[in-house]
Amino acid sequence: AQKVTQAQTEISVVEKEDVTLDCVYETRDTTYYLFWYKQPPSGELVFLIRRNSFDEQNEISGRYSWNFQKSTSSFNFTITASQVVDSAVYFCALTFGSSNTGKLIFGQGTTLQVKP
Amino acid sequence: DTAVSQTPKYLVTQMGNDKSIKCEQNLGHDTMYWYKQDSKKFLKIMFSYNNKELIINETVPNRFSPKSPDKAHLNLHINSLELGDSAVYFCASSPYGTRLGTDTQYFGPGTRLTVL
Repeated sequence: AQKVTQAQTEISVVEKEDVTLDCVYETRDTTYYLFWYKQPPSGELVFLIRRNSFDEQNEISGRYSWNFQKSTSSFNFTITASQVVDSAVYFCALTFGSSNTGKLIFGQGTTLQVKP
Repeated sequence: DTAVSQTPKYLVTQMGNDKSIKCEQNLGHDTMYWYKQDSKKFLKIMFSYNNKELIINETVPNRFSPKSPDKAHLNLHINSLELGDSAVYFCASSPYGTRLGTDTQYFGPGTRLTVL
């Protein structure tokens, strides 16, 4: 079965704190793709990153970084020095190569509140 | 220069009515999708079309009928609306039909449907 679990329903931090959002996935496919999307209070879904299963390199983009570990089936997202504008719902998602349909399987989402 | 657009943004209607949501993408993508986000923010795929061909139909009631007049448009028609259809509906698109499962999906702003 293909599944994405975001165990943290809500996280609240104070501005400038670092915060890590956890994502654990399940798939039997050896070829798969992992994504993070951001849904700010305005409601749109904003693409943040895509990672394929053959690339375990961590990635950093400004204050955002992603840690992909196949050994623990995790693809965690860290925001360094959080800002109020980071307040949003963050979704981790999975597609898998054998499906050949592009179906995105989403986690339940983590609501991040950054307080000033 | 909007990439994926949806109309209307808000839709309030009575039970039993028929309504349509329109989606257009100007990215030149081959594949388009409809997702439903429920009141708990959970996102689930409903349909996908690749070059006007239906690829995914995820156990959606047949009151929901997608229509793709061309590869830049994917509309969603809903017959006999029910209270449980109240949700946010997102349209998305991805570039290459031949590599389904690998491409990033870009989402529209969403349509909030409220059935009274």
